[in-house]
Amino acid sequence: DAGVIQSPRHEVTEMGQEVTLRCKPISGHDYLFWYRQTMMRGLELLIYFNNNVPIDDSGMPEDRFSAKMPNASFSTLKIQPSEPRDSAVYFCASSLLTGGYYTQYFGPGTRLTVL
Amino acid sequence: EDKVVQSPLSLVVHEGDTVTLNCSYEVTNFRSLLWYKQEKKAPTFLFMLTSSGIEKKSGRLSSILDKKELFSILNITATQTGDSAIYLCAKTNDYKLSFGAGTTVTVRA
Repeated sequence: DAGVIQSPRHEVTEMGQEVTLRCKPISGHDYLFWYRQTMMRGLELLIYFNNNVPIDDSGMPEDRFSAKMPNASFSTLKIQPSEPRDSAVYFCASSLLTGGYYTQYFGPGTRLTVL
Repeated sequence: EDKVVQSPLSLVVHEGDTVTLNCSYEVTNFRSLLWYKQEKKAPTFLFMLTSSGIEKKSGRLSSILDKKELFSILNITATQTGDSAIYLCAKTNDYKLSFGAGTTVTVRA
């Protein structure tokens, strides 16, 4: 199993540019999560999907952030326009109900730097 | 918002020492408690705890949950430098995780 795949692994961009982060969940997993991790705030849940449908986006910081999941094997997180305070590591995770419980498996993350 | 508090925030030990990490949580909509280890990359899953008093073990790591007092501990015995990492505790509300700030463990040779 390849695990959760994210791309790019590193992204450096200038303020005001559009940034798109990509995620391929583990095959068969029906939940997908986007997290952001910073030193100041730790791991924060941004949004999650169930069967490709967004369920809770209350963690999305503002309208500059949007996420889509057009099919079961692909999701994107877009920031437009990007700002320096968006610099963080963005993780995608997926999970599947097993034995009545969910365990989330994380991708390697995308380290975003906005100059 | 679901609150998860970990302590200590960081600690430094020498190889061979035993460490105990603490995690306390709020009771609302509790489903399970998870421990993750994060080195330089993504968090990797260690344990899932759902019942009080049942110890989970994996090698030198073990963990237990107390649902009455609303806390969990993670023990690492005979620590090695490879145990240096951030250890994250997360409470689940069905499928949604709420993470603590983590404990940074540094093991010195």
